[in-house]
Amino acid sequence: DAGVIQSPRHEVTEMGQEVTLRCKPISGHNSLFWYRQTMMRGLELLIYFNNNVPIDDSGMPEDRFSAKMPNASFSTLKIQPSEPRDSAVYFCASSLMADLKSPLHFGNGTRLTVT
Amino acid sequence: GQQLNQSPQSMFIQEGEDVSMNCTSSSIFNTWLWYKQDPGEGPVLLIALYKAGELTSNGRLTAQFGITRKDSFLNISASIPSDVGIYFCAGQLTSQGGSEKLVFGKGTKLTVNP
Repeated sequence: DAGVIQSPRHEVTEMGQEVTLRCKPISGHNSLFWYRQTMMRGLELLIYFNNNVPIDDSGMPEDRFSAKMPNASFSTLKIQPSEPRDSAVYFCASSLMADLKSPLHFGNGTRLTVT
Repeated sequence: GQQLNQSPQSMFIQEGEDVSMNCTSSSIFNTWLWYKQDPGEGPVLLIALYKAGELTSNGRLTAQFGITRKDSFLNISASIPSDVGIYFCAGQLTSQGGSEKLVFGKGTKLTVNP
């Protein structure tokens, strides 16, 4: 199993630019989660999807952030326009919703630096 | 909102020593999970606990789900250098609908001196 695949691994961009982070969940998993990790705030849930439908986006910081899941094997997290305070590691994770004992499997993250 | 208090924030120990860390919450959870994160990687699940009072081992790791459902601890026995990393607890309140979001602690950074 390839695990959760995220791209890019690193992204450096200038303030005001659009950033798109990508995620491919584990095949067969139907829940997908986007987390943000910073030293100050730890791991924060931004949004999660069940069966490609957004269930809870209350963690999305503001309108500059948007997430889509057009199909079961792909999701994007977009920041437009980006700001320096968005610098963090962004993780995607997936699980099997129907199995209450299905743990979250994390990708290796995208380290975003906004200058 | 739900919050987890994880302690200690960091630990510096000698190889061979035992380690203990814990998490407490003001909310009840029906699943407790412990994850480890190595540098440059995502968290990896170590142990999952699904019943109050449950005590589960995974090699040198032992974790317990508190009776009150508001706390959990993780012990590592006879630490080795590769135990270095950040350990996170996570609580989950799972509804009938299936998986729900996890609430994570801030992590315990473990350093093991050879």
